[in-house]
Amino acid sequence: DAGVIQSPRHEVTEMGQEVTLRCKPISGHNSLFWYRQTMMRGLELLIYFNNNVPIDDSGMPEDRFSAKMPNASFSTLKIQPSEPRDSAVYFCASTPPGQGNSPLHFGNGTRLTVT
Amino acid sequence: AQTVTQSQPEMSVQEAETVTLSCTYDTSESNYYLFWYKQPPSRQMILVIRQEAYKQQNATENRFSVNFQKAAKSFSLKISDSQLGDTAMYFCAFMKYSGGGADGLTFGKGTHLIIQP
Repeated sequence: DAGVIQSPRHEVTEMGQEVTLRCKPISGHNSLFWYRQTMMRGLELLIYFNNNVPIDDSGMPEDRFSAKMPNASFSTLKIQPSEPRDSAVYFCASTPPGQGNSPLHFGNGTRLTVT
Repeated sequence: AQTVTQSQPEMSVQEAETVTLSCTYDTSESNYYLFWYKQPPSRQMILVIRQEAYKQQNATENRFSVNFQKAAKSFSLKISDSQLGDTAMYFCAFMKYSGGGADGLTFGKGTHLIIQP
């Protein structure tokens, strides 16, 4: 079990640039979640997918944010254009099929800094 | 919508002591799950313990146990014989029951626990 894999681990970019964060869920897991962590707001759910289909994107802050899951083993979170207030740690998490009581398995996160 | 409140931003205890972290939540759901996650400085999110709301028995995992009071909507975490490696942020989290598949976690703001040597 390789765990949830996120890349890059750190990203530094200038305001206005496009940023793409990547996530590979654990094999066999069918639900995938994107979270953002900041000191001010804590951990916020941005969007989640079940069986590659977006279920709830109400946490996505603005149209500048978009997420895709083209297949069961890959997801991206894109910010275009990026702004300094997007600076945060972005986590991806996945869970296996079940009755919803399976805990989320988190990746190590991507620390994004927008200057 | 659910809310999770952790009223202790920071706590500090001596090694080997017992410490209790508090968590309360608000929900209209009757079936749900509660979790405690640990986040050390490495920022990895590690599951500590979980509790199904329909179970009256409190969950335990080695030195970690919970006091689940459903009527009071309280879910505290007790760490016995605390160790230096327990130093971390601890997050309480809520997940409503979703028969059709997974649902997202709602997190509290966290408690920074420091274990002093």
